[in-house]
Amino acid sequence: EIVMTQSPATLSVSPGERATLSCRASQSVNSNLAWYQQKAGQAPRVLIYGASTRATGIAARFSGSGSGTEFTLTISSLQSEDFAVYYCQQYNDWPPYTFGQGTKVEIK
Amino acid sequence: EVQLVESGGGLVQPGGSLRLSCAASGFTFSNYWMSWVRQAPGKGLEWVATIHQHGSEKFYVDSVKGRFTISRDNAENSLYLQLNRLRADDTAVYYCASFSASYYFFEWWGQGTLVTVSS
Repeated sequence: EIVMTQSPATLSVSPGERATLSCRASQSVNSNLAWYQQKAGQAPRVLIYGASTRATGIAARFSGSGSGTEFTLTISSLQSEDFAVYYCQQYNDWPPYTFGQGTKVEIK
Repeated sequence: EVQLVESGGGLVQPGGSLRLSCAASGFTFSNYWMSWVRQAPGKGLEWVATIHQHGSEKFYVDSVKGRFTISRDNAENSLYLQLNRLRADDTAVYYCASFSASYYFFEWWGQGTLVTVSS
């Protein structure tokens, strides 16, 4: 089973600042990685797939990079609606499909 | 507009059973692999089960094998999860989710249904 590890657990950022979230896989997942955003009380929604492709309707301030075992989600200028929990998920080697434990982005 | 609407959650005693349903609309249901993903209170996301477009292949996380059964009815555009021999650690919001057309990430999600296992 591939273990996904996200860091940090919590990221405190001021509106307008840049946020950088990390995700590490225990073995290579090539570019088969997705990022999800989950706001309180809501279902997750996909932001990025293929490590760097924005999903339909996702704002350009969200970008993904990386391949193999190291991945990054960057939010270039945080908006109020971006404060949420973010999860990475690998779909290279399955089952199981595995998620990271999440990074909470909170207001500084 | 794609919609996934779960139902069937509730309070059940340990050892009991429940059947969750997910009604799909707004896309050609029979063309998509479908899954259940759960989230325990205050915890992260955990994939539970996935079913092939025509039900010919099914996959489960180890912790639910032999207890949960995923199924679908393409004529009714519906996905199901039968939960048997429930345990306290099965308490979670259960989300119905579909893969994208080409890749195995979860493109669309329902709003979830809460299953609480407690005496």
